[in-house]
Amino acid sequence: DQQVKQNSPSLSVQEGRISILNCDYTNSMFDYFLWYKKYPAEGPTFLISISSIKDKNEDGRFTVFLNKSAKHLSLHIVPSQPGDSAVYFCAASGNDYKLSFGAGTTVTVRA
Amino acid sequence: DAGVIQSPRHEVTEMGQEVTLRCKPISGHNSLFWYRQTMMRGLELLIYFNNNVPIDDSGMPEDRFSAKMPNASFSTLKIQPSEPRDSAVYFCASSLREEEFFGPGTRLTVL
Repeated sequence: DQQVKQNSPSLSVQEGRISILNCDYTNSMFDYFLWYKKYPAEGPTFLISISSIKDKNEDGRFTVFLNKSAKHLSLHIVPSQPGDSAVYFCAASGNDYKLSFGAGTTVTVRA
Repeated sequence: DAGVIQSPRHEVTEMGQEVTLRCKPISGHNSLFWYRQTMMRGLELLIYFNNNVPIDDSGMPEDRFSAKMPNASFSTLKIQPSEPRDSAVYFCASSLREEEFFGPGTRLTVL
């Protein structure tokens, strides 16, 4: 049973424009959310996170928004750069620190 | 710190053979996770350990899969006997809190 869902398997965006990645979750016990970025032949690396007590967290070009009532979060990348081309995983955890991952969204930034 | 270390990076074996994947977590981390990445299911949690004790192995697909963590600096994931459908990338990750740090993965191909 997939508790974290990324319904868009891929996203193509022009360099300089905004990339918006979406993620939905079903478990209301999740209270911490993370985004990971993965390049081919490498392990996922942590990108940004947000606690359920916040609705927005910003780090440079990356902003994560959390809508708890809708059980939805999104990652905005502005402006998108060619180096942002990767697979992005959404993840969520409750009080056991165990992460549940989405299936990933492949982002391609076009020059 | 060298990060999470996994070996081998690539493994090619024949159906029916035993496969052992190895992981050295980041020193000081008290949780260790084994994941499998496939195109269809994304990142699946197989098992996780806390303080060397298996906490949740509900993601282990079959009895053919087993994992051990004899000490805080080493873990193994064993598949015996291996089958072609086990072909995937297997990641090990370690953490102290919510943020998990991933190793580079082992690409397993079972012929």
